[in-house]
Amino acid sequence: TQLLEQSPQFLSIQEGENLTVYCNSSSVFSSLQWYRQEPGEGPVLLVTVVTGGEVKKLKRLTFQFGDARKDSSLHITAAQPGDTGLYLCAGGRGNNRLAFGKGNQVVVIP
Amino acid sequence: GAGVSQSPSNKVTEKGKDVELRCDPISGHTALYWYRQSLGQGLEFLIYFQGNSAPDKSGLPSDRFSAERTGGSVSTLTIQRTQQEDSAVYLCASSLLGTGEEEGYTFGSGTRLTVV
Repeated sequence: TQLLEQSPQFLSIQEGENLTVYCNSSSVFSSLQWYRQEPGEGPVLLVTVVTGGEVKKLKRLTFQFGDARKDSSLHITAAQPGDTGLYLCAGGRGNNRLAFGKGNQVVVIP
Repeated sequence: GAGVSQSPSNKVTEKGKDVELRCDPISGHTALYWYRQSLGQGLEFLIYFQGNSAPDKSGLPSDRFSAERTGGSVSTLTIQRTQQEDSAVYLCASSLLGTGEEEGYTFGSGTRLTVV
């Protein structure tokens, strides 16, 4: 059973469009992180959110942590080809390790 | 070092052979993690080292898997009598304070293991 479910698994959009991907769980997390992974590389941390309802912006990326700390979303405005990658969410539950979802594969077509 | 270094980057081995995967974390990082990423699967936790404390080995899938961390720095993950289902990308990560859930992990590029 996957602790964190990410949807959609795959998303292909045109450059300039907006997109939102989701990370959902029935469990409560003390923190939630988003990573981006490109082929042949390890995941790279984008953001950490720790407070329910928290919204963080990183240039064209907006991250939201649900009020109940069970879910999160990532919104990309005016997507660019450089945004292509596998977006992974990861939740912390105070046991010194992160639980990862399977990822959202995003492809931005020039 | 500037980042987390893993070697080899690729390893092809015959079923039944033993393999060793190496991870060199960022200098000064107290915590080190091993994860496994299989095709179509999320990252699966394997083992966690924090300073001089006993490692958390609860994610190791079988007794064929073991890991050690020498001198609080370099770590080696050993898989004995490899099986085809061990084929995956093995990722190592480190964090400065061991509060990876808040500060986040820095990952290496991984070792792609193929068992034939």
